[in-house]
Amino acid sequence: EVQLVESGGGLVQPGRSLKLSCAASGFTFSNYYMAWVRQAPKKGLEWVATISTSGSRTYYPDSVKGRFTISRDNAKSSLYLQMNSLKSEDTATYYCAIEVNWFAYWGQGTLVTVSS
Amino acid sequence: DIQMTQSPASLSASLGETVTIECLASEDIYSNLAWYQQKPGKSPQLLIYDASSLQDGVPSRFSGSESGTQYSLEINSLQSEDAATYFCQQHHDYPWTFGGGTKLELK
Repeated sequence: EVQLVESGGGLVQPGRSLKLSCAASGFTFSNYYMAWVRQAPKKGLEWVATISTSGSRTYYPDSVKGRFTISRDNAKSSLYLQMNSLKSEDTATYYCAIEVNWFAYWGQGTLVTVSS
Repeated sequence: DIQMTQSPASLSASLGETVTIECLASEDIYSNLAWYQQKPGKSPQLLIYDASSLQDGVPSRFSGSESGTQYSLEINSLQSEDAATYFCQQHHDYPWTFGGGTKLELK
């Protein structure tokens, strides 16, 4: 059974940093692109980042480019999202997902609140 | 960026009815469209990809179709468990973009 378990969310002040983690199991992690997708409270979905199987290629929307960094550790079946210079508009639930162009499986999410 | 315009934003239907949700892409996305279902307090779940391919385990009362840049999700014989918010997503080109969502309520 595919499992994706996010952690690392919490309350953080604007301008500060936070690192999210996603522990994967139930599939061969190193064979899949992985992604982060976020959802602001009561809002829609926004793709945040994607990383290739080896980690050599990463993709971001303009809204987070230069502030967020996606990475992975295939030996640990883990995905990460380093978020710097956080803004109030980054407040959202962050989901880890298996990306096959579409998002085939999603974790349960971790809430990040950016507020002073 | 490719814009996805989803409609309606909400709808209410009765058990057993058939409903249709639509997404209009701002340019040709060559059938590269996915649909997701999100129940309250839960993460989204994939229903359909490539416009009309049903994800394993998804009931056959869900179906997807397309006409030009207009994509549709049809749900036949509505069940109580279908009450949820539905999102479309284009998977043709980065940045991946989603429709604004359709909240389906059961009467």
